Amino acid sequence: GAGVSQSPSNKVTEKGKDVELRCDPISGHTALYWYRQSLGQGLEFLIYFQGNSAPDKSGLPSDRFSAERTGGSVSTLTIQRTQQEDSAVYLCASSFPGLAANKNSYNEQFFGPGTRLTVL
Amino acid sequence: KNEVEQSPQNLTAQEGEFITINCSYSVGISALHWLQQHPGGGIVSLFMLSSGKKKHGRLIATINIQEKHSSLHITASHPRDSAVYICAVRVSGGSNYKLTFGKGTLLTVNP
Repeated sequence: GAGVSQSPSNKVTEKGKDVELRCDPISGHTALYWYRQSLGQGLEFLIYFQGNSAPDKSGLPSDRFSAERTGGSVSTLTIQRTQQEDSAVYLCASSFPGLAANKNSYNEQFFGPGTRLTVL
Repeated sequence: KNEVEQSPQNLTAQEGEFITINCSYSVGISALHWLQQHPGGGIVSLFMLSSGKKKHGRLIATINIQEKHSSLHITASHPRDSAVYICAVRVSGGSNYKLTFGKGTLLTVNP
């Protein structure tokens, strides 16, 4: 079946412009994650959606970053007034959720190919 | 200091060599993951460990909880193993979905 898809694969924008990055998770996966991978840095957690629960936004680096997930499926990560330090690969992943009542419960995350964002 | 440290940062090997990549962490964890990232960005999960050792084909992952250390071994390495290998941990007492990542080890296997 289809994996996680992301669009666009590459985005070049000018400083100050807004960008939208899209993620289509695997069908049936109710958990969705956004990560950022900056040059020379490890992956950085940004935000987590699970079903209809309030998202965990604790990783968003500033209020210029926001994300939505409509209908429990497709998600959009929006960066307003982009800065050069926003240049990175933005990765999306999806999974079945772990059981909230069991801290050791975990399901494998399936990653998309990422969107490479370059802010000039 | 990062909570998850990997070594080496870069590793070049000849085809057929035995490869070891190390991961040390400074926090209590509930599980440790090894991921593989090929050029172009795609990431796949290789192993999830909470104790002992796991083997899949030519890949072996071990973890020592007391020493807070894990290793990923590749036997009979092949050029197609060239990728970035990433160690990630789930912190004890934290959410069961949030991972903390190392910076990765870039492996190049030459024919």
